Amino acid sequence: QQQVKQSPQSLIVQKGGISIINCAYENTAFDYFPWYQQFPGKGPALLIAIRPDVSEKKEGRFTISFNKSAKQFSLHIMDSQPGDSATYFCAAPHRDFGNEKLTFGTGTRLTIIP
Amino acid sequence: NAGVTQTPKFQVLKTGQSMTLQCAQDMNHNSMYWYRQDPGMGLRLIYYSASEGTTDKGEVPNGYNVSRLNKREFSLRLESAAPSQTSVYFCASSEDSGSTVSYNEQFFGPGTRLTVL
Repeated sequence: QQQVKQSPQSLIVQKGGISIINCAYENTAFDYFPWYQQFPGKGPALLIAIRPDVSEKKEGRFTISFNKSAKQFSLHIMDSQPGDSATYFCAAPHRDFGNEKLTFGTGTRLTIIP
Repeated sequence: NAGVTQTPKFQVLKTGQSMTLQCAQDMNHNSMYWYRQDPGMGLRLIYYSASEGTTDKGEVPNGYNVSRLNKREFSLRLESAAPSQTSVYFCASSEDSGSTVSYNEQFFGPGTRLTVL
């Protein structure tokens, strides 16, 4: 079974600091690595994703870095704000009998303190 | 657009009881998914449907059945609930067909919190 290892399990960062969450995968069907954000009591929602041919994707304060040789990718949140407090899931696609599906990491609970 | 809707929001069952979780999407998406979310385990795929009329097992299908009633609706049934099925269940949908390479976003519903006593 395809696995995506995500760390840390929980993270506390001071307001204005940098939050970093890491993921490692075993194999992937193709180079597409999304990050989903989930607020308490809600379903996950796509935050940012990186597609093939790029090693970094930036959207506002959120950046994905991708290291293909190491099979690792990470999410950086710059100038972290209390509103960023949520659970974050990374994901990687894999192929199963011809169908592509996402395998999610175990999640990181991020808390931004004032 | 309501997006992805799920019913019920909460449910308490006794061991051995059965129930069906309902999911509907109004985005004309081809693919639909059922996940369960447990502490420390992330989101695990139970079943998915790449298109109307097809369903396939995911990572943790045991104890569940699904029906893709039409393009909009995808239900999850627990025939004989067990305490190990206590979890939060999410339905999701995406535009792509599951059999093709795609980079499409999955849209999640608000979840059903199920407790089995």
